[in-house]
Amino acid sequence: DAKTTQPNSMESNEEEPVHLPCNHSTISGTDYIHWYRQLPSQGPEYVIHGLTSNVNNRMASLAIAEDRKSSTLILHRATLRDAAVYYCIRKLTFGKGITLSVRP
Amino acid sequence: DVKVTQSSRYLVKRTGEKVFLECVQDMDHENMFWYRQDPGLGLRLIYFSYDVKMKEKGDIPEGYSVSREKKERFSLILESASTNQTSMYLCASSAGTGGSGGTEAFFGQGTRLTVV
Repeated sequence: DAKTTQPNSMESNEEEPVHLPCNHSTISGTDYIHWYRQLPSQGPEYVIHGLTSNVNNRMASLAIAEDRKSSTLILHRATLRDAAVYYCIRKLTFGKGITLSVRP
Repeated sequence: DVKVTQSSRYLVKRTGEKVFLECVQDMDHENMFWYRQDPGLGLRLIYFSYDVKMKEKGDIPEGYSVSREKKERFSLILESASTNQTSMYLCASSAGTGGSGGTEAFFGQGTRLTVV
């Protein structure tokens, strides 16, 4: 079972950090955790992925719990363009994702 | 710029027609995937392929088949289209063996199929 669990939605203020949580309690030791986001009328785009260590790239940071049963995507300064559906996935199995709204 | 290209953005077909959705990637990726996306249900995996002439069923393969004769092209076939197959169809590709693993997937823009 490659299921992940995310809240349905989250709101943020522009230019503030955003922490998007994800639970993956049944993850195996070799499964990577991937995050994608989908803007309206577009296909999903890759954000970040990791296995055990925390990861940073130009878009975001990924904090992975020591037991790997949960992770958090961190957007350091939310912009209006970050409003999207964010998916936390394993083995390319997508759930419904979390809808992020950003208030000006 | 890497690309996954789906042949049509919008498609309208009649019930009972045989429908072909084409996907081409220019990144020499081993893995290719077909999803459908419906409101409230997220993305659901229909079929995937790890190599030429190889295919595996995803979570919802019923009513669909696929073809991968060349590495860069992965086709989704609706043998006899039905109204419950009206949906957004998304193709993706990724590098590496055995699935996504530690590599990122690239998605096409999607094909919105309406079956009337």
